[in-house]
Amino acid sequence: SQKIEQNSEALNIQEGKTATLTCNYTNYSPAYLQWYRQDPGRGPVFLLLIRENEKEKRKERLKVTFDTTLKQSLFHITASQPADSATYLCALDHRDDKIIFGKGTRLHILP
Amino acid sequence: KAGVTQTPRYLIKTRGQQVTLSCSPISGHRSVSWYQQTPGQGLQFLFEYFSETQRNKGNFPGRFSGRQFSNSRSEMNVSTLELGDSALYLCASSLIPSLGTDTQYFGPGTRLTVL
Repeated sequence: SQKIEQNSEALNIQEGKTATLTCNYTNYSPAYLQWYRQDPGRGPVFLLLIRENEKEKRKERLKVTFDTTLKQSLFHITASQPADSATYLCALDHRDDKIIFGKGTRLHILP
Repeated sequence: KAGVTQTPRYLIKTRGQQVTLSCSPISGHRSVSWYQQTPGQGLQFLFEYFSETQRNKGNFPGRFSGRQFSNSRSEMNVSTLELGDSALYLCASSLIPSLGTDTQYFGPGTRLTVL
């Protein structure tokens, strides 16, 4: 069955450094992948979408890569700030026109 | 432009009861999707509505149902509540019903607790 894996443990990064989060998937080939940010008690907020024919996408301090051979996406936050602390979710399309989310990685940026 | 609103924000019910949750999408958005979020299973897709029609449904039992009205507002209903239904229920709206290819805007969610 299809599976999405994100780092289950929290990631602690020093302020100013680059935070890198991983999303691995198995058993299918998504056409696109999304990253969301979720703060406690709030709904997810869309950040970036990358398609299977795109290797990399950038938005301000955010960068997403999509390696369909490795079946992996990396999400980078450069010059990280304490305000970037949140849970980050990756999501992929499913053949039946559904969307599947990973369980998320909690990111803590330490001042 | 106002965001997605969900009511109520918090709800406490007992086993066997039923519950109805409401979602008002962003003005002009005609697609509404519902998700269940739990610590163990994460965010799981429930169903999607567009123009008052259910386009897609996730792997949830028939106790979970929904509908969409002509003004795009949507409701979801859970009958015969079970303890495992305790979760954050999220609604998301988008302009078009292509899950993932169009930006989805999530509401703040309804926190349902089943005792």
